Amino acid sequence: DVKVTQSSRYLVKRTGEKVFLECVQDMDHENMFWYRQDPGLGLRLIYFSYDVKMKEKGDIPEGYSVSREKKERFSLILESASTNQTSMYLCASSFSRSVVRMDFGPGTRLTVT
Amino acid sequence: AQKITQTQPGMFVQEKEAVTLDCTYDTSDPSYGLFWYKQPSSGEMIFLIYQGSYDQQNATEGRYSLNFQKARKSANLVISASQLGDSAMYFCAMSRISNFGNEKLTFGTGTRLTIIP
Repeated sequence: DVKVTQSSRYLVKRTGEKVFLECVQDMDHENMFWYRQDPGLGLRLIYFSYDVKMKEKGDIPEGYSVSREKKERFSLILESASTNQTSMYLCASSFSRSVVRMDFGPGTRLTVT
Repeated sequence: AQKITQTQPGMFVQEKEAVTLDCTYDTSDPSYGLFWYKQPSSGEMIFLIYQGSYDQQNATEGRYSLNFQKARKSANLVISASQLGDSAMYFCAMSRISNFGNEKLTFGTGTRLTIIP
């Protein structure tokens, strides 16, 4: 089974800090995604990547950036964390766009105080 | 733009009864995929079932089936003989299908299903 891991399960940061959320998949998947999940809003796409060093904005990219230097790793960066970025962050990956299944990591619950 | 609507924020169902979770969608894309995911209280997202817009038959995976009605733009999830372990949040999602395959997923707001013993 493919495994998608995220660097932290819970994270508490202060307003204005630079925050890195790391995601690693171990099955040579081409595509990687970052979503945030908020009650009543479902999952919203922040950024995604179909290839190494490639990135595309999702539906809510403001306040975030990403990095994909290696195929297996996709990092989400909060340049200057704000309280409205308190959320659950979910990383996902899929083998290719011809494969329908997307596998998710366990999530990182980020609290910004 | 694609939009997924799940109008049931919460549902309570007696164990062993069948459950239907509603999902309607809106898209102008000619080809698309429809997905259902389950999220238990532990938080992981579990893929359940997929239906392509050109698939003639409704998708089934064990106790899960997707009731796809293209003209109504609905993709309801049916769980037969519900079990206590089915208690979870359920998300409907869709993707546009391009020449490259499935594009990014757009999710609905979810339905919290609680199975009562």
